[in-house]
Amino acid sequence: DAKTTQPNSMESNEEEPVHLPCNHSTISGTDYIHWYRQLPSQGPEYVIHGLTSNVNNRMASLAIAEDRKSSTLILHRATLRDAAVYYCILRETGANNLFFGTGTRLTVIP
Amino acid sequence: EAGVAQSPRYKIIEKRQSVAFWCNPISGHATLYWYQQILGQGPKLLIQFQNNGVVDDSQLPKDRFSAERLKGVDSTLKIQPAKLEDSAVYLCASSLGTGLRQPQHFGDGTRLSIL
Repeated sequence: DAKTTQPNSMESNEEEPVHLPCNHSTISGTDYIHWYRQLPSQGPEYVIHGLTSNVNNRMASLAIAEDRKSSTLILHRATLRDAAVYYCILRETGANNLFFGTGTRLTVIP
Repeated sequence: EAGVAQSPRYKIIEKRQSVAFWCNPISGHATLYWYQQILGQGPKLLIQFQNNGVVDDSQLPKDRFSAERLKGVDSTLKIQPAKLEDSAVYLCASSLGTGLRQPQHFGDGTRLSIL
């Protein structure tokens, strides 16, 4: 069942930063926070994951609140190719799969 | 590295017919997943394999769906007979293992339409 809450949709102007929020107030100490995105007509694509500390990779940054009850995926400079549905997922100890909610549909405006 | 390969890309059949999908995971990935994604929803796990053994098939409608991964590499998912409600994209994913930090790598799926 869904353990994360995300806005249904967001818009961003091209070449500006985007902050995608996710609430996960019932997170436990060993749950990892994963982000995936799904471009139109493609399978989901792994973006980033973290446990407690903020994380950076070539695609994005993940900022995790000190109490871990929320996190924010940061795209530093949105491009048209970043238009996708972004899923915030908790990976729980003992859980086999990824539970995808409905995610946030990001629209990038040229 | 080559990604997860799936075929066919599209399939249209009539209800009560049978259909099969094929998946070849990334080389060396022991864990393979099949997901179903209905339009407007996120993917939902159908079955998970670890090598050639089933780890989780609790969400697989076993009266009509079956899956196998006989040699621990590629896998097939079958629906027999198909119902209208099976119209969806069927996604295959693979990962090196099942650790909480392991990302899953997805193919682009097979879009199934039932007439």
